[in-house]
Amino acid sequence: GAVVSQHPSWVICKSGTSVKIECRSLDFQATTMFWYRQFPKQSLMLMATSNEGSKATYEQGVEKDKFLINHASLTLSTLTVTSAHPEDSSFYICSAVSLDWYNSPLHFGNGTRLTVT
Amino acid sequence: SQQGEEDPQALSIQEGENATMNCSYKTSINNLQWYRQNSGRGLVHLILIRSNEREKHSGRLRVTLDTSKKSSSLLITASRAADTASYFCATEPTGGGADGLTFGKGTHLIIQP
Repeated sequence: GAVVSQHPSWVICKSGTSVKIECRSLDFQATTMFWYRQFPKQSLMLMATSNEGSKATYEQGVEKDKFLINHASLTLSTLTVTSAHPEDSSFYICSAVSLDWYNSPLHFGNGTRLTVT
Repeated sequence: SQQGEEDPQALSIQEGENATMNCSYKTSINNLQWYRQNSGRGLVHLILIRSNEREKHSGRLRVTLDTSKKSSSLLITASRAADTASYFCATEPTGGGADGLTFGKGTHLIIQP
């Protein structure tokens, strides 16, 4: 079945540094990828929608200059948390939609746990 | 990963009718969440119900949770064409959400005008 690979699984970084998270669709082409964050015991919150070859669409309240998204190919999207601060510590998860999205189930990465010290 | 089951897989009803979707899961949970996904869009959170709650309302949405049966239902009353979407349940396992949520496969709901 379709697999979405997210890397790294967890990362600890110092405040002020930047962290890049990758989301890859392994056996299908993903025209659209979604980035979410989840705080403990809360629901997923959509951060942005990433379309291959175009600028990402950010949800209200999400700083686009802080959370840089690049979707350079049909199989790879990256989320870069720039100048990370402790409040950015969260669980980040991506999902990918194939060209045949209507008949396809959701494909999620396993998530990345970011801890900023 | 996707585990758990929503049923039905697809549902088509007339506008104005009520729509009920069910979700079953296998593990002990902290909470259960329902999401909606419109065509080509990201997930939108609808309701979160905690394991010690049995029922929750939000507008036209009503969610029940039966932890003894490991099941939940989502009821949409007085459906509208704009409710056409896929609906997913997701569970957060006990022990925290360190591993993220576990999603069901979804119910595709079509509201006919």
